[in-house]
Amino acid sequence: AQKITQTQPGMFVQEKEAVTLDCTYDTSDPSYGLFWYKQPSSGEMIFLIYQGSYDQQNATEGRYSLNFQKARKSANLVISASQLGDSAMYFCAMRELIRTGANSKLTFGKGITLSVRP
Amino acid sequence: DSGVTQTPKHLITATGQRVTLRCSPRSGDLSVYWYQQSLDQGLQFLIQYYNGEERAKGNILERFSAQQFPDLHSELNLSSLELGDSALYFCASSVIQGRLHEQYFGPGTRLTVT
Repeated sequence: AQKITQTQPGMFVQEKEAVTLDCTYDTSDPSYGLFWYKQPSSGEMIFLIYQGSYDQQNATEGRYSLNFQKARKSANLVISASQLGDSAMYFCAMRELIRTGANSKLTFGKGITLSVRP
Repeated sequence: DSGVTQTPKHLITATGQRVTLRCSPRSGDLSVYWYQQSLDQGLQFLIQYYNGEERAKGNILERFSAQQFPDLHSELNLSSLELGDSALYFCASSVIQGRLHEQYFGPGTRLTVT
């Protein structure tokens, strides 16, 4: 069974600095995807970045990058040049590659709260 | 804006009642997923539909049911509501079921059972 672990307590970062949010995962499947979502206080879930298990390079999307270490089963999110609007809950999630007709749900971690200080 | 719409945004009802949550996926997306987010359970997958057919079930109670209609919108029905059903219910959609595409989430329906 898939499992996502996010154990950091609430994180704080100074505006304009970089921050790393940790995520470890466990799966027995060789093909899977790792995702990060942001949930601001308004409640919506915003997709940030995706990393496939066979991708050779770490994913990047603007100020977001994913530090993917397959052997260690970690997929940490790095936010560069933090902004006040980055204050939110961040969820790491996993999805296994499926055959047509099978389950492709997302399994989420418990989330990490990030607060950006001015 | 993810392109996924959910109604209503807020719902307050009493124990024992029945409610229906509605979701319209992004244009072109065939898969719809329902998730429940509560303080004690976190984000949990409930059920998935693909092009009108149920494809996967997660931790969905027997009091809950869902369906996806020919126009691809989906409804989640919650009956015999209990206080513990108070949660944020998300609908998500994705374009292809068999691949690792991201899921786009709607704004959620916040259900409060009193």
